[in-house]
Formats: sequence, structure tokens, C-alpha cells
Amino acid sequence: DAGVIQSPRHEVTEMGQEVTLRCKPISGHNSLFWYRQTMMRGLELLIYFNNNVPIDDSGMPEDRFSAKMPNASFSTLKIQPSEPRDSAVYFCASNHWGNGPAFFGQGTRLTVV
Amino acid sequence: SQELEQSPQSLIVQEGKNLTINCTSSKTLYGLYWYKQKYGEGLIFLMMLQKGGEEKSHEKITAKLDEKKQQSSLHITASQPSHAGIYLCGADYTGGFKTIFGAGTRLFVKA
Repeated sequence: DAGVIQSPRHEVTEMGQEVTLRCKPISGHNSLFWYRQTMMRGLELLIYFNNNVPIDDSGMPEDRFSAKMPNASFSTLKIQPSEPRDSAVYFCASNHWGNGPAFFGQGTRLTVV
Repeated sequence: SQELEQSPQSLIVQEGKNLTINCTSSKTLYGLYWYKQKYGEGLIFLMMLQKGGEEKSHEKITAKLDEKKQQSSLHITASQPSHAGIYLCGADYTGGFKTIFGAGTRLFVKA
């Protein structure tokens, strides 16, 4: 079975540019999570969806960040405009009804210069 | 997160030695997850503990949750270079959805 698939694996962009990260959850999972990992703050939950509906976005740092889930098999996290402090590894994870462990993708390493 | 403390922050052990990583919560847990992260990669789920006093093992890794459901330990027996990585505990306080992660323990195994 395919796991959670994220793209791109690496992204380097200039400050001010728009960045879009993509995620395909595990088939059959109806809960999807976006996390951000940095050395300073560790792994932080940004937002999660259940049945394609955003349930809690309290972890989204600023209005520059937005996330969508147009269907059960695809989600995006967008940063517009990007800033150097957004540099981090962004993970997508999924599970069934929020229960049990979440299964993580390989992450997208974002560098904003 | 200050709700969840992991110790030690890092650990260097000689191959073949045993080691223990601890995860302490300031509140009673609904469930506790252990993950391993290899450098530059995603998190791999290891084990989930939900009942007070529960203990689970997989190969040479054993995880325990105390009776009060506020402390967990991860024990590796006869460590190998393949055990190297970052071990993270994740706390579930509400029965689903929001998992709060500890800062992680970086394990280095010297061959």
C-alpha cells in the first residue's frame, strides 16, 4: 500500500514568492494533518481536516498560511508571501477518524531565501 | 511542548548497550504514541499505548506506560546502528485528532 505522498520533497524559493505544498493521504483515511518541524519549536500541528472539512486551524501561524482539501485524496498548504522564517520541514499525515496513530509522509523541506 | 517532556535530549551509546528514553506528561494521557524519525525522513510509527501499566514490544524495542498514564519509557535492548535516529513521543489528551509531540531524543549508536 502506498503511504502518504508529499510533493515536492525539497523547495527553495525567494522571499515574497508563493509556495504550494501538496499531499495525498493514505486511501481510506478521512483525517488529514499538516505539521511543521523546526529545530527551535519541534513538531507543531498546523491544521487538520476531517472528511475534507477543516476542523481546527488554530496552529496556522499567520494569515499568509492557508490549507485546502478539495477532495478525499488531495490537500494543499499554501504560503503567500513566503518569508525566511517559514523555512522548515512540512509534514502531512493521515489516519481514520483521528483515531490511533497518524501516518506521516516523507515531508517537504522548504527553504526561503 | 511544555505539556510533554522527553529525556534525554540526546544519547550516544556503544553498539550492544541497552538504553532508555523517557516521556513525561503534565496531564493524564488518553493515549501515547512512539515514533522514530531517521534524519531527513518522515516519522515511522512504532507503538501505541493506551492502558495504564501497558507494555508492548517489537523486536528489541519495549515501550511502557505507567499506571497513572502520565509517563512512558522506551527501552532498546542490545542497540544496533540501525536504531540510530530521533525518537518522538506523541500525546493524545482528547481521544483523537490532536497529537502533541515531545521535542525528541536524538540517539547515536557507535559501532
